[in-house]
Amino acid sequence: EAQVTQNPRYLITVTGKKLTVTCSQNMNHEYMSWYRQDPGLGLRQIYYSMNVEVTDKGDVPEGYKVSRKEKRNFPLILESPSPNQTSLYFCASSSPLRSEAFFGQGTRLTVV
Amino acid sequence: AQSVTQPDIHITVSEGASLELRCNYSYGATPYLFWYVQSPGQGLQLLLKYFSGDTLVQGIKGFEAEFKRSQSSFNLRKPSVHWSDAAEYFCAVGEAGGTSYGKLTFGQGTILTVHP
Repeated sequence: EAQVTQNPRYLITVTGKKLTVTCSQNMNHEYMSWYRQDPGLGLRQIYYSMNVEVTDKGDVPEGYKVSRKEKRNFPLILESPSPNQTSLYFCASSSPLRSEAFFGQGTRLTVV
Repeated sequence: AQSVTQPDIHITVSEGASLELRCNYSYGATPYLFWYVQSPGQGLQLLLKYFSGDTLVQGIKGFEAEFKRSQSSFNLRKPSVHWSDAAEYFCAVGEAGGTSYGKLTFGQGTILTVHP
């Protein structure tokens, strides 16, 4: 089954404690990205990757890092989380043919 | 820069009534357009998409949308709403090619409540 898998689904952490949210896709897609969803703002792109070792900033990259060492994986790293990063995060992947994005189930992060 | 506006934050309809959710976009060329639905606690599911061709597109769950270039709109419709349609709906525009071909720009979302 084609899917994008994120882990964990829920995470509560404290300010400043580094964390990683994993994302994996099994569709051999080149393009992967991370979004955050906040009430009234829809989804906003954090970072994206066009292919292995190729990443770039989206619209709201501050406080986040990513890496793309393998085509299937695209982890999101928060080196020093702050409360304003409390949000619902989605990983997505797509191919260059159609721009149609497939989304993971989401990770609800709370930073206290 | 591309943008998407969903003018209605919250819409309430009765079960069996018709539905139209509005979406307006700003984009320099022919866009790729999408509607996604998000049920509570769930991820985003693609309802339908428009890339080219027929401006009236059919999607899953009985939804359809019409692309109107002159109005920069891509409104979502359903003739008869079911209680299970209660969810949040997002319109999105994608870039056709270029260096950000996979990027989607989303509207703010419309929450649909269905009364029995």
